Amino acid sequence: DAGVIQSPRHEVTEMGQEVTLRCKPISGHDYLFWYRQTMMRGLELLIYFNNNVPIDDSGMPEDRFSAKMPNASFSTLKIQPSEPRDSAVYFCASSASGQGANYGYTFGSGTRLTVV
Amino acid sequence: EDKVVQSPLSLVVHEGDTVTLNCSYEVTNFRSLLWYKQEKKAPTFLFMLTSSGIEKKSGRLSSILDKKELFSILNITATQTGDSAIYLCAVGQRRMAYGQNFVFGPGTRLSVLP
Repeated sequence: DAGVIQSPRHEVTEMGQEVTLRCKPISGHDYLFWYRQTMMRGLELLIYFNNNVPIDDSGMPEDRFSAKMPNASFSTLKIQPSEPRDSAVYFCASSASGQGANYGYTFGSGTRLTVV
Repeated sequence: EDKVVQSPLSLVVHEGDTVTLNCSYEVTNFRSLLWYKQEKKAPTFLFMLTSSGIEKKSGRLSSILDKKELFSILNITATQTGDSAIYLCAVGQRRMAYGQNFVFGPGTRLSVLP
């Protein structure tokens, strides 16, 4: 298994532009999580999905952020319009549910976003 | 409010030293506590702890959980420069019918000097 795949690895964009981050979870995992990591705030949960349905988006900072999961193998996190304070590393992670889910998350390599 | 606190936030040691990293938590519906190591990229899984007093070991790393006092420690003996990383503590809480959500601590940045 290739693990959780995120793209792009790096993104530099100008303030006001739309940014779309992509994630492919591990096949068979039915939970998908989007995290943001900054030096100041550490890892923050933004939103998570179960079976493609958003379950908790209370961590999404504001309406500029939106996430979708159109199918079990793909999710996007969109920021529109982007602002410099959105600069961070965005991680996608997936996990499997059930009584045997004992290994926490598997993280993707992250997308480093810089908004100038 | 659920929270996970780690200490110290930063630590500098020399190769061969032994270090102890601390994690304390206040999380509703506790299910598990995990330790991750994060180098340049994504966090990688180290341990999952669910029962008090049972030490888990992997080479020079070991960890134990105290569910009564709500903390865990991660020990690294005979540190090497390759141990330099951020060590994250995450507490899993039972928020879903199955599976769990995790609350992350801020991490401890460990630097091991040659």
